[in-house]
Amino acid sequence: NAGVTQTPKFQVLKTGQSMTLQCAQDMNHEYMSWYRQDPGMGLRLIHYSVGAGITDQGEVPNGYNVSRSTTEDFPLRLLSAAPSQTSVYFCASRGGAEAFFGQGTRLTVV
Amino acid sequence: QQQVKQSPQSLIVQKGGISIINCAYENTAFDYFPWYQQFPGKGPALLIAIRPDVSEKKEGRFTISFNKSAKQFSLHIMDSQPGDSATYFCAASSQGGYNKLIFGAGTRLAVHP
Repeated sequence: NAGVTQTPKFQVLKTGQSMTLQCAQDMNHEYMSWYRQDPGMGLRLIHYSVGAGITDQGEVPNGYNVSRSTTEDFPLRLLSAAPSQTSVYFCASRGGAEAFFGQGTRLTVV
Repeated sequence: QQQVKQSPQSLIVQKGGISIINCAYENTAFDYFPWYQQFPGKGPALLIAIRPDVSEKKEGRFTISFNKSAKQFSLHIMDSQPGDSATYFCAASSQGGYNKLIFGAGTRLAVHP
């Protein structure tokens, strides 16, 4: 049972490039979320989904897109990367109140 | 706007001592208050959680104290061990809004032998 799997673990992008952070869960959870973690700011919610085909914005959605075509996958897209998006990104899923987090993707935008 | 304020930012405790981390919230609709533990290079993991119908919850060496009138809750780690050295996050959400977990800024705990 892998839980929540994020890929890649590390990524360096140039300003303006696009990329997709992958997140997959094998717990058949309806709810999935993306957070970014920055020093001194905790984890901030970017986007979340309550089921396949349903997504909504969190606290800091600008510059990010999501989609949810299957229960298992919830990719996060950066359309035009900016240095301000340098961060550690965490995907989480939950079936009840407890959220299970992946191991994170460390993204650097230069 | 920081809805969950956490303090201190960092904490150093000697082995065997008590670690105390405090959080305060603003939104009275919050009714679920978890604490997450994060080790370097790992994602956060649920440590313990409380709902406002109780004032205290204990699991092993970890205790949450909850003060609804003051809108504050705290994590106490008894007999702190070097293996407890990690970053701790408090969080809050409201019923039906579990996806919108609002996190505090985190406390980096170091337990010295």
